[in-house]
Amino acid sequence: GAGVSQSPSNKVTEKGKDVELRCDPISGHTALYWYRQSLGQGLEFLIYFQGNSAPDKSGLPSDRFSAERTGGSVSTLTIQRTQQEDSAVYLCASSLAVLYNEQFFGPGTRLTVL
Amino acid sequence: AQTVTQSQPEMSVQEAETVTLSCTYDTSESDYYLFWYKQPPSRQMILVIRQEAYKQQNATENRFSVNFQKAAKSFSLKISDSQLGDAAMYFCAYRSDGTASKLTFGTGTRLQVTL
Repeated sequence: GAGVSQSPSNKVTEKGKDVELRCDPISGHTALYWYRQSLGQGLEFLIYFQGNSAPDKSGLPSDRFSAERTGGSVSTLTIQRTQQEDSAVYLCASSLAVLYNEQFFGPGTRLTVL
Repeated sequence: AQTVTQSQPEMSVQEAETVTLSCTYDTSESDYYLFWYKQPPSRQMILVIRQEAYKQQNATENRFSVNFQKAAKSFSLKISDSQLGDAAMYFCAYRSDGTASKLTFGTGTRLQVTL
C-alpha cells in the first residue's frame, strides 16, 4: 500500500513569506506527527494529532507555526513570516494508534528560506 | 524531560565487519520504548529495531541487534556482516509509555561502509 507522502519535496521561499507543507498519512492511521530536522541535528518534535482529540502543540517553536488536520486525514503545517532559521527538513509520520509504537515516516519537505 | 545522546557523530566499518553504535538516554520513567531508525540520503526514516523497556531480552532483527542496559540507560546497536546498503544516518529514539507518543531523537551517527 501507499506510504506517507509529503509535498512539496523541496520549497525555496523568501524571508517573510508564508509557506504551507502538506502531509498525506497512510490510510487508516489515526495519529499524525510533524518533526523538524535542522542541518546536523536530530529530529525535533513539533506537533501531533490523534483522532478527534486536541492536538499536542507543545513542540511548536513559535506562534508563527501552526498545523491542522482536516477530516482526520491530510495535515498542513503552516509557517508564517518565515525566517532563515526555519530552514530545515520537515518530516511527517503516521501511526495506527497512539499506543501502537511504530511511526511510519514520509520523505520530508526540504524548506530553504533565503 | 527525556534526552537522548549519541556521542559518535561518524563511524566507519569495512564491508562484512561488525560495528556498534552507541546511545544513552536519560529518563525518570520505568516503562518506555527505544528505537533505532536509519535515514539514507533519500531522507526516508526507516525503523531498524525497537526495544520495550520491560523486556529483559535484547531485540534482534536479522543482522541488527541491540545491547539494552536499563540500569545504565544505554541502548547500543550492533550491525553484523555490514553491507554497503547499511551506509546511512542512524538515529536512536525514545518514546514514553503513555499517551504522549512523540519520539525524542538523538543527533545521529553517520555510518560509512567501506570496501
